[in-house]
Amino acid sequence: NAGVTQTPKFRILKIGQSMTLQCTQDMNHNYMYWYRQDPGMGLKLIYYSVGAGITDKGEVPNGYNVSRSTTEDFPLRLELAAPSQTSVYFCASSPPGRSQGLETQYFGPGTRLLVL
Amino acid sequence: GQQLNQSPQSMFIQEGEDVSMNCTSSSIFNTWLWYKQEPGEGPVLLIALYKAGELTSNGRLTAQFGITRKDSFLNISASIPSDVGIYFCAGQIIQGAQKLVFGQGTRLTINP
Repeated sequence: NAGVTQTPKFRILKIGQSMTLQCTQDMNHNYMYWYRQDPGMGLKLIYYSVGAGITDKGEVPNGYNVSRSTTEDFPLRLELAAPSQTSVYFCASSPPGRSQGLETQYFGPGTRLLVL
Repeated sequence: GQQLNQSPQSMFIQEGEDVSMNCTSSSIFNTWLWYKQEPGEGPVLLIALYKAGELTSNGRLTAQFGITRKDSFLNISASIPSDVGIYFCAGQIIQGAQKLVFGQGTRLTINP
């Protein structure tokens, strides 16, 4: 298994441009997540999905959109890039939780985005 | 939103020393997780804790789920150079919702 893969690894955008960050997992996990990590900070949840066709907002969803047409893919869309969206973006996936709580989340290697 | 306070923010230690870091919250958590992140990589799970009072080890790492369910600590014994990285605590509040709240991280630097 490749696990969670993300593309691109690095991207520079101009203000107002749009792009899609790709995320794919081959572990047949139901749950997928998008986080952003700002310098010196922990991860903040942007959006998550509990299965194909179902998405929901996390802590910091403004300026982003997601879709989940298949179990494997969970792309993150930036429509009008802003400097505040400069960050490292991590995708993660997990199987359904056990009765006692959260199941392990597996993270991709990240996409570093710079908006100028 | 919920916040986790992780301390210390950074540590500079000698190889062989023991390390201790902790996370506290004003909210009660059902699950505590400890992750390690190396440069250019995503976080990797080290230890998961599911019950108040639970003490779990993974090699030289030991973590505990606080009795009050509002805190957790991670200890690393006899540190080695490959322990360098950023350690994050994460907690889940709503059981089944699968959403995590992360601490700010503890950056560990080891002098050989």
